[in-house]
Amino acid sequence: DQQVKQNSPSLSVQEGRISILNCDYTNSMFDYFLWYKKYPAEGPTFLISISSIKDKNEDGRFTVFLNKSAKHLSLHIVPSQPGDSAVYFCAASNPWGGSQGNLIFGKGTKLSVKP
Amino acid sequence: DSGVTQTPKHLITATGQRVTLRCSPRSGDLSVYWYQQSLDQGLQFLIQYYNGEERAKGNILERFSAQQFPDLHSELNLSSLELGDSALYFCASSVGHDNEQFFGPGTRLTVL
Repeated sequence: DQQVKQNSPSLSVQEGRISILNCDYTNSMFDYFLWYKKYPAEGPTFLISISSIKDKNEDGRFTVFLNKSAKHLSLHIVPSQPGDSAVYFCAASNPWGGSQGNLIFGKGTKLSVKP
Repeated sequence: DSGVTQTPKHLITATGQRVTLRCSPRSGDLSVYWYQQSLDQGLQFLIQYYNGEERAKGNILERFSAQQFPDLHSELNLSSLELGDSALYFCASSVGHDNEQFFGPGTRLTVL
């Protein structure tokens, strides 16, 4: 049963516009969330994170919003650039570790930014 | 460049064979994680080592095993390979049991 879900496998956006990538989670005990970006033939790279004590974290063009009551987070990229085209993974920190490891990943959303 | 290295980049082998994937963590990182990414799937956690000791075990098949050596590099051994084992295998490292993990470029395994 997926505890971290990214329901949109792909998203296409025009350059200069906003990209919004969504992520839902099921376990209210998750207390830290991360976004990773992955280009083809490379490993995922850390992009931005948010603690559950906050509802927003911003880093340049990237902002992550957390809605704990809805168990939902989103990554906003403004303005989107063609170089942002990649697969974006949402991950939740699993404080108990164990068989799921300390990070539980969604399946990813492939973002395409068109010039 | 994350500082995590993985070899080889690509591996093509036949069913029933055994392969070894190698990972060198970032300098100073004590934790090494192995993940499998199959087609259209997310990153599935396989196993974590911390300073040479197994720390957490995911849904890793019995045909798979791993270890972390005194110099902190790690190897993932896959044996009796099946077609379904074809996937990208990523190694990641972190200082401790950190949330932020640094990933290597992956090894693409193709089993024919």
